[in-house]
Amino acid sequence: GQQVMQIPQYQHVQEGEDFTTYCNSSTTLSNIQWYKQRPGGHPVFLIQLVKSGEVKKQKRLTFQFGEAKKNSSLHITATQTTDVGTYFCGANFGNEKLTFGTGTRLTIIP
Amino acid sequence: EAQVTQNPRYLITVTGKKLTVTCSQNMNHEYMSWYRQDPGLGLRQIYYSMNVEVTDKGDVPEGYKVSRKEKRNFPLILESPSPNQTSLYFCASRTYTDTEAFFGQGTRLTVV
Repeated sequence: GQQVMQIPQYQHVQEGEDFTTYCNSSTTLSNIQWYKQRPGGHPVFLIQLVKSGEVKKQKRLTFQFGEAKKNSSLHITATQTTDVGTYFCGANFGNEKLTFGTGTRLTIIP
Repeated sequence: EAQVTQNPRYLITVTGKKLTVTCSQNMNHEYMSWYRQDPGLGLRQIYYSMNVEVTDKGDVPEGYKVSRKEKRNFPLILESPSPNQTSLYFCASRTYTDTEAFFGQGTRLTVV
């Protein structure tokens, strides 16, 4: 079936360290989206990547879409306590269905 | 304000007692869907609807029903809830094309 694997499941970092989460699919994606869910909250859209090899930045966040459009990553530079939460990728396989990864829960050690 | 509204936010019920979780969006979105979120399993799609009177099963539809009589509303119905349906539920909407999904605040359901 159309699944997207996301790793790691958990990540604990010291404040100021970097953080990366990865999503991988065995089939080519139409596009991929990233969402952030704060503790006790709901997923909130961060960004969408569409083009092969695309790289987008939002302040300390860098999003990449692989050349083959089968994988993506979210990298946070110099984490802050406000970055705490669970990060999900949402994959579009070209059929209007949005399939989510299992999420990476980021905790920050002050 | 553009939003997706779910009710109730919290619900404790007993096995077998029918319940409905409502979802309403004010953005005129065609596409609506329901997800359940469980630890370690992420967000799994239950049902989705691409427009009024058009619904289809997601990845985990067993034990759930939906309807889409109006564009703005997409209720989730549990005819006979069981404890394995204890979960956090999210409704989401978006335009028909590949655009961002807007999520409701979530409904935490406990079935005892």
